[in-house]
Amino acid sequence: QQQVKQSPQSLIVQKGGISIINCAYENTAFDYFPWYQQFPGKGPALLIAIRPDVSEKKEGRFTISFNKSAKQFSLHIMDSQPGDSATYFCAALYGGNYQLIWGAGTKLIIKP
Amino acid sequence: DADVTQTPRNRITKTGKRIMLECSQTKGHDRMYWYRQDPGLGLRLIYYSFDVKDINKGEISDGYSVSRQAQAKFSLSLESAIPNQTALYFCATSGKGNYSTDTQYFGPGTRLTVL
Repeated sequence: QQQVKQSPQSLIVQKGGISIINCAYENTAFDYFPWYQQFPGKGPALLIAIRPDVSEKKEGRFTISFNKSAKQFSLHIMDSQPGDSATYFCAALYGGNYQLIWGAGTKLIIKP
Repeated sequence: DADVTQTPRNRITKTGKRIMLECSQTKGHDRMYWYRQDPGLGLRLIYYSFDVKDINKGEISDGYSVSRQAQAKFSLSLESAIPNQTALYFCATSGKGNYSTDTQYFGPGTRLTVL
């Protein structure tokens, strides 16, 4: 019930294309949805986040789309660049105990 | 200098040994966390601490213990290591303010191998 399901597990996109990563959740008590980016040998770092009272948030080339009724949210990376190659994690904050529940991660490779 | 440091960065140990992983932060944050990362499983919370006197179990605390020695230091111990504790371990911190929109800042990780 506290799971966050992330797909795909891996993704290859051509430079300049759009990368899309999807996440789904079950627990309606989740009230904050961040995306983290992790490069090899580094810890994850916050990329962008959204609250469920908005349907979209955009920061530069990165956009979160949020569908509260479907309990789904997605990360879109426009004009994908080789430097975007990393592992991306979605997460959801459980308001009951302030714990982040993490998706399994998506390894994104942008081909030049 | 890094804001969140972890020592050691790599450790190989044998089954049954006690091992301690250490985390220090210079961000002045109150909240600290220990996670483990396994391929295909994302990050799973082991323990978290909202201040020096507050320690809470996470999703997978069995086989682990923690100590919050000071605001800036949070250690994770494996009392008797077993091979399925082989993983990448991350420490994270977050600041005061609204719990519900906290940004967590991660250390570089410790790669632990239990033979």
